Amino acid sequence: QSVLTQPPSSSGAPGQRVTISCSGGSSNIGANSLYWYQQLPGTSPKLLIYKTDQRPSGVPDRFSGSKSGTSGSLAISGLRPEDEADYYCATWDGKLRAWVFGGGTQLTVL
Amino acid sequence: QVQLQESGPGLVKPSETLSLACTVSGASFNNYYWSWIRQAPGKGLEWIGYVYNSGNTTYSPSLKSRVTISLDMSKNQFSLKLRSVTAADTAVYYCSRGGGGIAFDYWGQGTLVSVSS
Repeated sequence: QSVLTQPPSSSGAPGQRVTISCSGGSSNIGANSLYWYQQLPGTSPKLLIYKTDQRPSGVPDRFSGSKSGTSGSLAISGLRPEDEADYYCATWDGKLRAWVFGGGTQLTVL
Repeated sequence: QVQLQESGPGLVKPSETLSLACTVSGASFNNYYWSWIRQAPGKGLEWIGYVYNSGNTTYSPSLKSRVTISLDMSKNQFSLKLRSVTAADTAVYYCSRGGGGIAFDYWGQGTLVSVSS
């Protein structure tokens, strides 16, 4: 069981906006930045969002991140077929002294 | 361009030691953390631990008793040793730049290690 809780699946039609939630606690999301990773089928994870709401160079502005208290979310607007992937949230847990990941959300583009 | 490449045996016997190396190109080890992360088949990501360029390490509490991560700057490599493996350690193992509060921004392609007799 993951320290960070994500919905196992999400879906949306092309062009729609979807959000993926990530719930944690005071020692992880509540105290540290949140990160999001996209894993396309058969590939390595790719950094999508860092420091909660920052996009690395090359990541479209359709992807955005936020957090409030002990929960965070990833929003994807203008959904495209190529966004179909697994998405993971991650952060440092100061109590565990370890990086923790969410269980992952499989996004389906209908 | 930063590139990471894992290498090592794809099959390890139960109770033996899993040993992997990650060769880094296009980046200096200085001022960065270097992590190992694994993903069991059909499962999510699990952080194993990291090494800093000073040689300091931090490990996942659940694996701490069995893990050693070390750095060999002369070979541009950092390595993972996981002792006393069982079938539960079967996974794709990724090396990545990051940890210590810094994002995992570069990843290797991953290497599947199966534990079986």
